[in-house]
Amino acid sequence: DGGITQSPKYLFRKEGQNVTLSCEQNLNHDAMYWYRQDPGQGLRLIYYSQIVNDFQKGDIAEGYSVSREKKESFPLTVTSAQKNPTAFYLCASIGGGANYNEQFFGPGTRLTVL
Amino acid sequence: GQNIDQPTEMTATEGAIVQINCTYQTSGFNGLFWYQQHAGEAPTFLSYNVLDGLEEKGRFSSFLSRSKGYSYLLLKELQMKDSASYLCAVRDQAGTALIFGKGTTLSVSS
Repeated sequence: DGGITQSPKYLFRKEGQNVTLSCEQNLNHDAMYWYRQDPGQGLRLIYYSQIVNDFQKGDIAEGYSVSREKKESFPLTVTSAQKNPTAFYLCASIGGGANYNEQFFGPGTRLTVL
Repeated sequence: GQNIDQPTEMTATEGAIVQINCTYQTSGFNGLFWYQQHAGEAPTFLSYNVLDGLEEKGRFSSFLSRSKGYSYLLLKELQMKDSASYLCAVRDQAGTALIFGKGTTLSVSS
């Protein structure tokens, strides 16, 4: 079955710690995205990558970092510089060709800072 | 700037029809998406419009007017399971990044 996986589903972190959220897709999609969702805020774009070894900042990139060493993987690191990291994090991807129009989402990771 | 507006909340009863409106002002336009999101879950794709007019898919239809910067999602024969948030999103001129509205929470009662 093709799809996007994110792990873990729930993550707890102490203040001052960096944490990495995993995102893997086997859809052969070129473009991948990280969004953050807070209550009443909708989805806000953190980072995106359109090809391997290249990525761009979204609207709220401060305190986050990413890498795109493989087409299938786009991990997000939440650093201690992120002042309010508690949120629901969603990874997504878009394919080319006939699948160009639809953006698929992973199941999400809920991060809580203790 | 980029702006997408939707009502925050709507209520309706089972079997009824509800229309969720979305207005947008973006630097570019390359398609409008509607997603459904149940609490605690990821959004799921409902519809895509890039040309003016109505797209129908079962109980759900979506309409677009590019000249007015306006779309709506129409849900017919409402069911309790339709209680969810509905997200309007626009793809900008870059061709890939989606800009999301804050979502409309729909509550369906019996």
